[in-house]
Amino acid sequence: EVQLVESGGGLIQPGGSLRLSCAASGFTFSGYAMGWVRQAPGKGLEWVSTVVGAGDRAFYADSVQGRFTISRDNSKNTMWMQMNSLRPEDTAVYYCAKGRCGDLLCGAFDVWGQGTMVTVAS
Amino acid sequence: DIVMTQSPDSLAVSLGERATINCKSSQSILHSSNNKNQLAWYQQKPGQPPKVLIYWASTRESGVPDRFSGSESGTDFTLTISSLQAEDVAVYYCQQYHRSPLTFGGGTKVEIK
Repeated sequence: EVQLVESGGGLIQPGGSLRLSCAASGFTFSGYAMGWVRQAPGKGLEWVSTVVGAGDRAFYADSVQGRFTISRDNSKNTMWMQMNSLRPEDTAVYYCAKGRCGDLLCGAFDVWGQGTMVTVAS
Repeated sequence: DIVMTQSPDSLAVSLGERATINCKSSQSILHSSNNKNQLAWYQQKPGQPPKVLIYWASTRESGVPDRFSGSESGTDFTLTISSLQAEDVAVYYCQQYHRSPLTFGGGTKVEIK
C-alpha cells in the first residue's frame, strides 16, 4: 500500500524553526517528485515546494523562498522541510504529496498524507 | 504566476442531478510535447487530504467513478459530476502543473440541495 506519513508539526513562536518529515512506503521513492502543500485554517490549498526524484533540484513558492528548505534521502524513503523564520501566516496544515513522475511539471499529486498542523503564534 | 480562477465559489445540486465546476487559467497550460493541458482536479472532503480525480485535464485517475469527467476548451476547463451522489459533497480544486509556481484555484464547495 502506498503511504505517506507526516510528522514534526506543532506550536512554535514567530521567528522560530521547525522541521517536518514525510516517511514514504509502498513505492519506489527515488522515482517520484515529492512536494509539500499547505492549507491555512478554513482556506484553500497552496503549493509550498517540490523536490525532484533525484533530489538535485528543488522549487519553492515565493512566500517561502529563502526561509524553507526541502530535501530528501532516497535511501531512507524520507523527505523533509526545514522551516526557518516562521511567521503567523505560515500557520497551516502541511501535506506531503507524491508526484506522478520524477520531475516537477510532469504530473499531478496522486498520493497525499494526512497532514501535520503547524501553528505559529506567541 | 499562472492564476487559476474557479467558479462558482459554491453550488447546491439535487441528488442525481449534474454539477458543473469551471476553472480558467490566466495563460495557456498546454504541454508542448504531448499537446495536453497540464491541469488536475482534486476533491477534498471535510477533515481529509485532497484526492486527485482528473489529470491532463480529462484523464480519470484509477478508481475514480465515471460520473466524474473533465473537459477543456483553450484555457477554460470544466469538471462535471454527471449524477451527484451524497458522497460527492466536498470542495473541489483545479491545479496547473505547467509552470512553477504550481497554483490552485480557490475551490468550489458542492452541497446537496
